[in-house]
Amino acid sequence: ETGVTQSPTHLIKTRGQQVTLRCSSQSGHNTVSWYQQALGQGPQFIFQYYREEENGRGNFPPRFSGLQFPNYSSELNVNALELDDSALYLCASSSRLGAGNEQFFGPGTRLTVL
Amino acid sequence: AQKVTQAQTEISVVEKEDVTLDCVYETRDTTYYLFWYKQPPSGELVFLIRRNSFDEQNEISGRYSWNFQKSTSSFNFTITASQVVDSAVYFCALSEAPTGTASKLTFGTGTRLQVTL
Repeated sequence: ETGVTQSPTHLIKTRGQQVTLRCSSQSGHNTVSWYQQALGQGPQFIFQYYREEENGRGNFPPRFSGLQFPNYSSELNVNALELDDSALYLCASSSRLGAGNEQFFGPGTRLTVL
Repeated sequence: AQKVTQAQTEISVVEKEDVTLDCVYETRDTTYYLFWYKQPPSGELVFLIRRNSFDEQNEISGRYSWNFQKSTSSFNFTITASQVVDSAVYFCALSEAPTGTASKLTFGTGTRLQVTL
């Protein structure tokens, strides 16, 4: 069983640029969540996708957007990058919706905005 | 609004010592779930335990044990006979979404545990 994978591992961008991060969910999982983890902080919920539809969003501006594909893989897009967007971006998948379901996390993409 | 507080920013212990990581949560819901995750230097969050709000039984798994007390809104984590491999950042998290809606995890700020020889 393949776990959650994310690409790229590291990324360096400059302010104002756009970035796309990718996530492949664990086999059989149809729910993907994205989290942003700033240095020294806990992960913050960005949004969740279930069967290709956004199913909840945290306190992030519209320049953070996402997609989920028919194979349940997902993308996180961030436009007009700001310095504060520098963080570890974590993707998590689960087998169904619901608060009690375990979310399996990927290794993350570390984004640096200069 | 839901909130998780981990007041201990960093803890250092010598191998074989016992250590307890504190977690206090706030929620208005009567149905919720609590989690502990471990984050080693590699960055990947590793699931340790899940507890629902109706099950206050303490749990033990090897050297790990968890103490859930609704009366004090706490969900503390104890490592017995700590080992160097336990060195990591540990996060407590809360999820209170009803079934069928976004299962958002609210994390604390984490406790960095350093175990030395």
